Amino acid sequence: GNSVTQMEGPVTLSEEAFLTINCTYTATGYPSLFWYVQYPGEGLQLLLKATKADDKGSNKGFEATYRKETTSFHLEKGSVQVSDSAVYFCALSDNAGNMLTFGGGTRLMVKP
Amino acid sequence: ETGVTQTPRHLVMGMTNKKSLKCEQHLGHNAMYWYKQSAKKPLELMFVYNFKEQTENNSVPSRFSPECPNSSHLFLHLHTLQPEDSALYLCASSQGTDPYNEQFFGPGTRLTVL
Repeated sequence: GNSVTQMEGPVTLSEEAFLTINCTYTATGYPSLFWYVQYPGEGLQLLLKATKADDKGSNKGFEATYRKETTSFHLEKGSVQVSDSAVYFCALSDNAGNMLTFGGGTRLMVKP
Repeated sequence: ETGVTQTPRHLVMGMTNKKSLKCEQHLGHNAMYWYKQSAKKPLELMFVYNFKEQTENNSVPSRFSPECPNSSHLFLHLHTLQPEDSALYLCASSQGTDPYNEQFFGPGTRLTVL
């Protein structure tokens, strides 16, 4: 079956630090990959996505590249802000029409 | 109201109570979902409705009973729950159930079962 593995948090960084949150996956075929973000007290929001190998998704300074050879979709941001503090979820959907499979989430805490 | 709304935001209930969670989407979508978010566990899909028809039931116990009277409203009826059912219950909607379509989530109902 499909699965998504994320690094466990919390990840604590100072403002303007570089961020990497690792995500690896197991899936049949060629899945689409997503990062969702959940701010405190809110539901999940789509942050970025990539639908095929070597695609790079980007939004709000965040980037992630679909790496088929390493089955990874690591999230990066060059300079984090306090407002980026949230829980980040990596997810995939396969091409068999199956629903989204989520990772366990990684909490990011950014200190001023 | 815009987006996806959920009521109540917080609910405390005993194991013998019967309660319902409500979700409403104002996006014109035709697919709606219930998810369960427990501490330190991946988000679990519970039910999917497409054009009011249930298309997915992810082996959810019968003490959870969904209802979708129309494409804008989704309910989750709860009865004789267990303490391990305490979690954040999230509703989402999308335009069709194609996984490539973005799902829009509500803020969730924080459920505590005593």
